[in-house]
Amino acid sequence: GAVVSQHPSRVICKSGTSVKIECRSLDFQATTMFWYRQFPKQSLMLMATSNEGSKATYEQGVEKDKFLINHASLTLSTLTVTSAHPEDSSFYICSARDDTSTDTQYFGPGTRLTVL
Amino acid sequence: KQEVTQIPAALSVPEGENLVLNCSFTDSAIYNLQWFRQDPGKGLTSLLLIQSSQREQTSGRLNASLDKSSGRSTLYIAASQPGDSATYLCADYSGNTPLVFGKGTRLSVIA
Repeated sequence: GAVVSQHPSRVICKSGTSVKIECRSLDFQATTMFWYRQFPKQSLMLMATSNEGSKATYEQGVEKDKFLINHASLTLSTLTVTSAHPEDSSFYICSARDDTSTDTQYFGPGTRLTVL
Repeated sequence: KQEVTQIPAALSVPEGENLVLNCSFTDSAIYNLQWFRQDPGKGLTSLLLIQSSQREQTSGRLNASLDKSSGRSTLYIAASQPGDSATYLCADYSGNTPLVFGKGTRLSVIA
């Protein structure tokens, strides 16, 4: 089946630094990718919709200047957490919609971010 | 706005028992319904996808059904095993839109 990878799988950083998370579709093209965040014992909440070649669409309450999304190619979207703070510590998961099968989305394995 | 509720929030059963997890939606106009498994600290594993024209799907010991008229889905796990212990999430989605997830049911199967 189709595979979506995320890198890194786990990252620990100091408060105030920036962290970039990559989401790649390995064997299909994805014009649209979604970024989710999951806090402990909570469900996944959509942060933003990433579209190749255009600006991302952010959900209400998500700061676009803090969570920078770049979808520069049909197989790669990146989420950069700028000036990270401990409250940004979370599990970040992306999904990618297969362009050839628009009813299908595939999920990445997630990235665990810990901000000290 | 679609909201998804999963009941129970947590469940502990002895090994070998059959069990049912429930998922309900505030908007019964469900397009696709998908069940996932999430192990602690891990990402999502897709279990079953019920597409809009279907009413149920089966994979091994798992059976998921969807009743659009009532906005409910159930995941049936037969002969549970300790390896089934995880959080189970249901989600409603169209391929064009992001998934709306429930908070999940944390399942513990005791050997």
